Amino acid sequence: QKEVEQNSGPLSVPEGAIASLNCTYSDRGSQSFFWYRQYSGKSPELIMFIYSNGDKEDGRFTAQLNKASQYVSLLIRDSQPSDSATYLCAVRYPGSARQLTFGSGTQLTVLP
Amino acid sequence: DADVTQTPRNRITKTGKRIMLECSQTKGHDRMYWYRQDPGLGLRLIYYSFDVKDINKGEISDGYSVSRQAQAKFSLSLESAIPNQTALYFCATSDGGYQETQYFGPGTRLLVL
Repeated sequence: QKEVEQNSGPLSVPEGAIASLNCTYSDRGSQSFFWYRQYSGKSPELIMFIYSNGDKEDGRFTAQLNKASQYVSLLIRDSQPSDSATYLCAVRYPGSARQLTFGSGTQLTVLP
Repeated sequence: DADVTQTPRNRITKTGKRIMLECSQTKGHDRMYWYRQDPGLGLRLIYYSFDVKDINKGEISDGYSVSRQAQAKFSLSLESAIPNQTALYFCATSDGGYQETQYFGPGTRLLVL
């Protein structure tokens, strides 16, 4: 069974700090990786997509992918209270008819 | 107007009742999905459809059925609701491109008594 594992948290960081969220996956052949943000009571929204080893930066967000170690992480620099949300990691496994497998999410709280 | 809409937004029903959750999209996407979300379990795929004539079971399809009435409409039915189907249900669409971002509707909160 394809698995995506995330620490459920909650993770608390002070405002202005770097928040680090981690995700591991079970299939070494996985090719595409997504980070979604979900505010309480709202629907998930995509914030990062990465498919190559290394780092991808978008504003205050950096996704890091290490296929050899089978983990993908999300760094949020200069964390703001508005970043408080649950962050979902999703993986597209090979041969999966382009379905996504989601982790259970990490709840992040940024303290003012 | 929202690109992906779901109706109803909230529903309370009783065990054994048949209910339908509806999803409509104006994004012009061929691919549509139904997920359920339970606390601590993330999103799990129930059914997905790549076009009107293509319906596929997901990870947890037992107890559910779907209908793709048109490119823009994808409905989820619970034939005989049971309490462990109490959850938050999301519809999503995607364009089938390389990145294939999935866009989610606002969700339907279902309570089965």
